[in-house]
Amino acid sequence: EAQVTQNPRYLITVTGKKLTVTCSQNMNHEYMSWYRQDPGLGLRQIYYSMNVEVTDKGDVPEGYKVSRKEKRNFPLILESPSPNQTSLYFCASRPGTAAPGELFFGEGSRLTVL
Amino acid sequence: SQQGEEDPQALSIQEGENATMNCSYKTSINNLQWYRQNSGRGLVHLILIRSNEREKHSGRLRVTLDTSKKSSSLLITASRAADTASYFCATDGSLQGGSEKLVFGKGTKLTVNP
Repeated sequence: EAQVTQNPRYLITVTGKKLTVTCSQNMNHEYMSWYRQDPGLGLRQIYYSMNVEVTDKGDVPEGYKVSRKEKRNFPLILESPSPNQTSLYFCASRPGTAAPGELFFGEGSRLTVL
Repeated sequence: SQQGEEDPQALSIQEGENATMNCSYKTSINNLQWYRQNSGRGLVHLILIRSNEREKHSGRLRVTLDTSKKSSSLLITASRAADTASYFCATDGSLQGGSEKLVFGKGTKLTVNP
């Protein structure tokens, strides 16, 4: 089944404790992206990747890192989480970047930073 | 940078009625997409309309695009309780960095009462 898988789905952590949210897609998609969703603010893009070893900042990259060493994986790293990073995070992918097309979303990772 | 803005923010209707949601945006676009999100779940793509198209249908969904007014509408006909969800428009355009930058609105929360 074609899907985008995120882990963990739920996480409660404390300020400053490094964490990684993994994202994996099995559709051989070139493009991958991370969004955060907050009440009243909608979805905001954190980082995106056009292909392996190619990443770029979205609208709200502060406090986050990403890497794209393999095509299927695009982990989101919070080196020193803070309470304002409490949010619902979504990973998404798309076949290519040359043409517009639908994004395929993971089920989300709800992160709480105490 | 928020591009699309949905209207209304919330909509409550009875089963069988039609639901209309609107999206306005500020700058030129290449295409506009609509997504659906069940509570706390990942977004699911519904339909894409290109800037040179005026109307598109998919099952009970009808999307219109008026580039002169920079607006789009999503009509769900003969609504069902299962249509209860949040609906988001998303745009990508040359002024937003090309197709790698899909910008979402804040969504319309639709409730369909049985």
